[in-house]
Amino acid sequence: SAVISQKPSRDICQRGTSLTIQCQVDSQVTMMFWYRQQPGQSLTLIATANQGSEATYESGFVIDKFPISRPNLTFSTLTVSNMSPEDSSIYLCSVGTGYETQYFGPGTRLLVL
Amino acid sequence: DAKTTQPPSMDCAEGRAANLPCNHSTISGNEYVYWYRQIHSQGPQYIIHGLKNNETNEMASLIITEDRKSSTLILPHATLRDTAVYYCIVRVPGSGSARQLTFGSGTQLTVLP
Repeated sequence: SAVISQKPSRDICQRGTSLTIQCQVDSQVTMMFWYRQQPGQSLTLIATANQGSEATYESGFVIDKFPISRPNLTFSTLTVSNMSPEDSSIYLCSVGTGYETQYFGPGTRLLVL
Repeated sequence: DAKTTQPPSMDCAEGRAANLPCNHSTISGNEYVYWYRQIHSQGPQYIIHGLKNNETNEMASLIITEDRKSSTLILPHATLRDTAVYYCIVRVPGSGSARQLTFGSGTQLTVLP
């Protein structure tokens, strides 16, 4: 298994600002993903963070709003840009250590006022 | 990935077995059944997965019907800490690397004292 940490664990932000969330894994992993979980909802995939190339975004998510970096095999960042109250969610990083299972970070709880 | 159907909620008495059903009638031959759970305010946690044979690990057992159109996750002796949302996910493992997970609405299991 992999141990995943996220920073910050929670934040309260003003609309119009941006927040960068960090995801750190204790071992090298091939696949890293970013999910969003809106209040009372299930998880929705935002994008796959690709090491050394641009992230692959799911329908409804764009790079200008959610820029992602993946500088190496243990680290990734997700930025939530120009935030609005609708961006209030839990943002989760996950990693794939093999082709069968994924491990999730503890999540970042974001509240936009 | 095949669509899954789960009851929205279930209760179970502490110490008794919790049996969580999942219907996946459109499952294809190369799709696996995965179970994850999400305890409140935490990231999802992998539980178990299987293709067609019944599987057991230290957390749970997975029973897949012979026609593979449904499955049951069994927590043999539920504790209060097993209260969580349980997600049944059907997918084809990535060829050599993990693919993203598609989460449905899951089943809220409440273990009662």
